[in-house]
Amino acid sequence: QVTLRESGPALVKATQTLTLTCTFSGFSLSTSGMCVSWIRQPPGKALEWLARIRWDDDKFYSTSLKTRLTIFRDTSPDQVVLKMTNLDPMDTATYYCARTPHYCTSTSCLDLWGQGTLVIVSS
Amino acid sequence: DIQMTQSPSSLSASVGDRVTITCRASQSISTYLNWYQQTPGKAPKLLIYAASTLQSGVPSRFSGSGSGTDFTLTISSLQPEDFATFYCQQSYTTPDTFGQGTRVEIK
Repeated sequence: QVTLRESGPALVKATQTLTLTCTFSGFSLSTSGMCVSWIRQPPGKALEWLARIRWDDDKFYSTSLKTRLTIFRDTSPDQVVLKMTNLDPMDTATYYCARTPHYCTSTSCLDLWGQGTLVIVSS
Repeated sequence: DIQMTQSPSSLSASVGDRVTITCRASQSISTYLNWYQQTPGKAPKLLIYAASTLQSGVPSRFSGSGSGTDFTLTISSLQPEDFATFYCQQSYTTPDTFGQGTRVEIK
């Protein structure tokens, strides 16, 4: 069974650095074509794609946030970590991680998602 | 970045209605287009990928079409569990971008 689960602090202060962890099971990020992405959703608003890491360790970032984001993988256990620096109250959102399976690498579809973790940034 | 514009932003429909949602890209994206459904408090669920391929386990009343800049998601006969918000996502070039969402409400 494939699962993804986000974890991290629920409340952080402005200017601090946020570290979110996506712990997954049931697949290997080393398998050709696999990717894990981070997406966020402010309360009542639309989805916003943040970053992706591929099976070959290639990384991609949101244009507007790329100076503040770092994505990397850890293999023990299988995790993908997202760091976001210099937080602002506007970063308050539910943060999701999601998988791209090998069969739709070309379209980067997100077939399985974690349940999301709400992060509130206080001023 | 490629901008994705969905229309309408919201709609009201009845059970059994045929519903069509449109997604337009600011430049051609071939068929690098995916559709998701999100109900309140839940993570999005993949419905359609590559513009028209139905994700495994998704009911056949959902279908997708289009290429280039204009895409549609059609629900042939709306069911009670389909009332939700729908998003398109392009991945032709990174960064990926989502549409602003279309909320389907009960009439």
